[in-house]
Amino acid sequence: DADVTQTPRNRITKTGKRIMLECSQTKGHDRMYWYRQDPGLGLRLIYYSFDVKDINKGEISDGYSVSRQAQAKFSLSLESAIPNQTALYFCATSDLSSTDTQYFGPGTRLTVL
Amino acid sequence: RKEVEQDPGPFNVPEGATVAFNCTYSNSASQSFFWYRQDCRKEPKLLMSVYSSGNEDGRFTAQLNRASQYISLLIRDSKLSDSATYLCVVKNDYKLSFGAGTTVTVRA
Repeated sequence: DADVTQTPRNRITKTGKRIMLECSQTKGHDRMYWYRQDPGLGLRLIYYSFDVKDINKGEISDGYSVSRQAQAKFSLSLESAIPNQTALYFCATSDLSSTDTQYFGPGTRLTVL
Repeated sequence: RKEVEQDPGPFNVPEGATVAFNCTYSNSASQSFFWYRQDCRKEPKLLMSVYSSGNEDGRFTAQLNRASQYISLLIRDSKLSDSATYLCVVKNDYKLSFGAGTTVTVRA
């Protein structure tokens, strides 16, 4: 089984809809991250969490919110989706002892019409 | 200016060839450097860390030039399975900054 899983893997939604992307990990890592990837751009950090009570904005947090329900779960929400949020979304984890290496989930391809 | 810039390529090379490419980074205080590999529409995976003295991992050699703020990756004896996008990644404190990637295609 994969160490970092994301659901759904693909989603098509309409402008204005609320959508939640979920991430679960079995690696036992404290740190979790949400990124988006757009063609021609590097991965950009949306939010990150260093433990269950810690939530921090990344470089492009506007229009997104997150919830860290447990050490193993980190959800990303789009309260009112818009077309320019169409992208490939990745969740990643890392641990305190080795924060240099981030382990990524398989990604969620989101299309907002 | 982007924090990490890469030549997007593509670099099209025959099997067995050597291919090399660079990236540049803007923050001189950056602490750690990496190359990640990303196959089409899949998650990035760590290929190797990059150390100031240069380092090798099999057919892959990475170099760091702090004075000029660039990182390089060289692939020797290219295999078909090396076809991928290579992401240059720079770490500042907790944050990883990703380049947009260099695409390498190895042909038979």
